[in-house]
Amino acid sequence: DAKTTQPNSMESNEEEPVHLPCNHSTISGTDYIHWYRQLPSQGPEYVIHGLTSNVNNRMASLAIAEDRKSSTLILHRATLRDAAVYYCILGHTSGTYKYIFGTGTRLKVLA
Amino acid sequence: DAGVTQSPTHLIKTRGQQVTLRCSPKSGHDTVSWYQQALGQGPQFIFQYYEEEERQRGNFPDRFSGHQFPNYSSELNVNALLLGDSALYLCASSFGLANSPLHFGNGTRLTVT
Repeated sequence: DAKTTQPNSMESNEEEPVHLPCNHSTISGTDYIHWYRQLPSQGPEYVIHGLTSNVNNRMASLAIAEDRKSSTLILHRATLRDAAVYYCILGHTSGTYKYIFGTGTRLKVLA
Repeated sequence: DAGVTQSPTHLIKTRGQQVTLRCSPKSGHDTVSWYQQALGQGPQFIFQYYEEEERQRGNFPDRFSGHQFPNYSSELNVNALLLGDSALYLCASSFGLANSPLHFGNGTRLTVT
């Protein structure tokens, strides 16, 4: 099972962009890159996912390196409500939600 | 539109007992996955149910078993509870077998004394 590596923690100022990195050097050609976040006392929440091309949605953007060995989750303007643990996960294209969550990146947003 | 609901929210059991946790998936979802989250750790995959069958299983002993009903709801059963089973148990639902977004419930906090 392919694994990901993320920094344990990051800090950002409110209303500034945040770039959360993730390394996945053993990614296979059929692995999607998923991002989830977990706010205190809640279950994880889906943020975004992609395969090869950069992806945008209302919550964030996902920038995927050309060799797909790394990716970056971009929050364009951090708010206090974005303080959470962010998980980068690889998901195979067929037949499973056997996602391997690491310990994620704890994002602290400063007012 | 109700999301994923789990019951109970909290539970205290004694070592050696058995426990059943319940999950109702988000409307329109047909796949249920269960995860265990120890304090300070990321969720660990237990198993996945689709069409009332266990389709994938993580590295958990046979004491952990499950069931999916025709209405797509699911149960997680844990027998012979150990102190180390104390954790937050998360249910996630999705549509289909892979790569659609998972919707998680807020979990059941199980404490084994």
